[in-house]
Amino acid sequence: RKEVEQDPGPFNVPEGATVAFNCTYSNSASQSFFWYRQDCRKEPKLLMSVYSSGNEDGRFTAQLNRASQYISLLIRDSKLSDSATYLCVVNDSSYKLIFGSGTRLLVRP
Amino acid sequence: DAGVTQSPTHLIKTRGQQVTLRCSPISGHKSVSWYQQVLGQGPQFIFQYYEKEERGRGNFPDRFSARQFPNYSSELNVNALLLGDSALYLCASSPPQNSDTDTQYFGPGTRLTVL
Repeated sequence: RKEVEQDPGPFNVPEGATVAFNCTYSNSASQSFFWYRQDCRKEPKLLMSVYSSGNEDGRFTAQLNRASQYISLLIRDSKLSDSATYLCVVNDSSYKLIFGSGTRLLVRP
Repeated sequence: DAGVTQSPTHLIKTRGQQVTLRCSPISGHKSVSWYQQVLGQGPQFIFQYYEKEERGRGNFPDRFSARQFPNYSSELNVNALLLGDSALYLCASSPPQNSDTDTQYFGPGTRLTVL
């Protein structure tokens, strides 16, 4: 079983749509959680950290369910510029990030 | 402030050769991590260095080695290159341990092609 699992997609949605990505992780001792965004042939960039209480940043909302070892990302009012690969990331120690394989999002006009 | 920088941006080598990749962390960051990303996969952890000491190592063969210098920059060395080493090599830096975040910030990467 992979340490961090994501649906690879692609998710193909029209502008303005709401889309949700899910992720599961295997290590119950994992300490912190992130969503990174990666554009084609570029480096991953931090989108947001994920907290148990849930957190929101504009059109983006992230949730963490420690009991189910499940992380989600919700994007509202999708823009063309949201097209990218979204990486679910878990920090299982003080130094090591474990990445999922990514979920690809395509937003069409 | 400058972000994480890496050099070179692209590199082409042949099987059996050796390669050295370089990384400079964000100013004030003392920790550098290296990741390998092959096409279609998420980055895989190779090493982390903190204050010039290796803190962690991923599941990579001994052909991969790294070091960190007094100015916190780092080099990743790969010996006896294989075709499967072709990948994007990413360097990330993170704030000091006493900060309130463990976020890692990535450089633009070095794209290595092994022929």
